[in-house]
Amino acid sequence: EADIYQTPRYLVIGTGKKITLECSQTMGHDKMYWYQQDPGMELHLIHYSYGVNSTEKGDLSSESTVSRIRTEHFPLTLESARPSHTSQYLCASRTGTGGRDTQYFGPGTRLTVL
Amino acid sequence: GQNIDQPTEMTATEGAIVQINCTYQTSGFNGLFWYQQHAGEAPTFLSYNVLDGLEEKGRFSSFLSRSKGYSYLLLKELQMKDSASYLCAVRAHQAGTALIFGKGTTLSVSS
Repeated sequence: EADIYQTPRYLVIGTGKKITLECSQTMGHDKMYWYQQDPGMELHLIHYSYGVNSTEKGDLSSESTVSRIRTEHFPLTLESARPSHTSQYLCASRTGTGGRDTQYFGPGTRLTVL
Repeated sequence: GQNIDQPTEMTATEGAIVQINCTYQTSGFNGLFWYQQHAGEAPTFLSYNVLDGLEEKGRFSSFLSRSKGYSYLLLKELQMKDSASYLCAVRAHQAGTALIFGKGTTLSVSS
């Protein structure tokens, strides 16, 4: 069982609000990832981190930003939410020590921007 | 870049066997994963292949041919609860060795 948590699970907010989606893992994993997934569509990598103080943008352009101040914590922030940001956001982590090590996913945050 | 292809939808009946194919093109291949995702939930890990051949785990098996850029997931003795999306994902050396996912195959199992 993977110990990776995301809050909130569901969020409905108005346009222009600043929001932070939380992601925490208690497995001591170095590598963490954020994916965005629209209903019925594929997962797109939007951010990743090799470890503390490391953040990189993924394949899909995103207006969000991330930070990695502590190993266990990888929050994602939207400075000004828009309806186009409505989606499911999935956080994942892995040890990064070998090819076989599995990438575990959190339960996701379903965001709706009105 | 990466390109991963799998069928969009498949249907099968309880007790049957189904094979979900995945073809991929990637630079710096470092493993292929299969995940299961039920509607509205997070993906859960099913299998991993990095060498050619078949990996078996209970009712699920996965096959890889690196030279052909091809994998399949075999599900035996299908159950209704197997109705879900099945995601083929490739790990490459770039992008933090993140998994890059295909669009997924939605499997519907009927009685």
